[in-house]
Amino acid sequence: DIQMTQSPSSVSASVGDRITITCRSSQNIYNYISWYQKRPGRAPKLLINDVSSLQSGVPSRFSGSGSVAQFTLTITGLQPEDSATYYCQHTYSSPYTFGQGTKLEIK
Amino acid sequence: EVQLVESGGGLVQPGGSLKLSCAGSGFSFSGSAIHWVRQASGKGLEWVGRIRSNTNNYATAYAASVKGRFTISRDDSKNTAYLQMDGLTTDDTAVYYCGRSVGLDSSDYRGQGTLVTVSS
Repeated sequence: DIQMTQSPSSVSASVGDRITITCRSSQNIYNYISWYQKRPGRAPKLLINDVSSLQSGVPSRFSGSGSVAQFTLTITGLQPEDSATYYCQHTYSSPYTFGQGTKLEIK
Repeated sequence: EVQLVESGGGLVQPGGSLKLSCAGSGFSFSGSAIHWVRQASGKGLEWVGRIRSNTNNYATAYAASVKGRFTISRDDSKNTAYLQMDGLTTDDTAVYYCGRSVGLDSSDYRGQGTLVTVSS
């Protein structure tokens, strides 16, 4: 099975800051990576699929990049509503494992 | 508007069974793979499994933690997918969400989820 290692596990930043979350896969997963936002009591929200494709309605301050086995989610110009836990997930081959999550706190 | 509504959760004893439903609308249900994911309280997201469309022979795949106990099926005439859960343990206690496949098998989750509690 492919393992996804996500870092950091938590981050605290201020409104307007830029943060980067990294996900490393245990093998080449090509473009098969997605990023989700999870708030308590809400469904996981798909932000970005296929490395860098921004889902409709997702603010452009979210962006994804990477290749092979290292990928990043970047949020520029943080907003209070970005407070959430963020997860990466690969969909290269089943099982489609998630990273451990990154909890983002807005100061 | 894309909608996915999960239902069927509840309290069940260890060793028991439960069947969840996922009703979709606002998109081509029959042409979409459907995924299930869960989140236990205080834990991260866990992919449970998925079922592909008719054109992909309704192929299913499961997480190791549920393989052999959970079965995903679908009835495209009802725009509904199902998650049959047998041999439930306390570790299966979680909120379960269904989603439709997007792009390279990512999943778009829209519902509120359904809570499954396994307890004696």
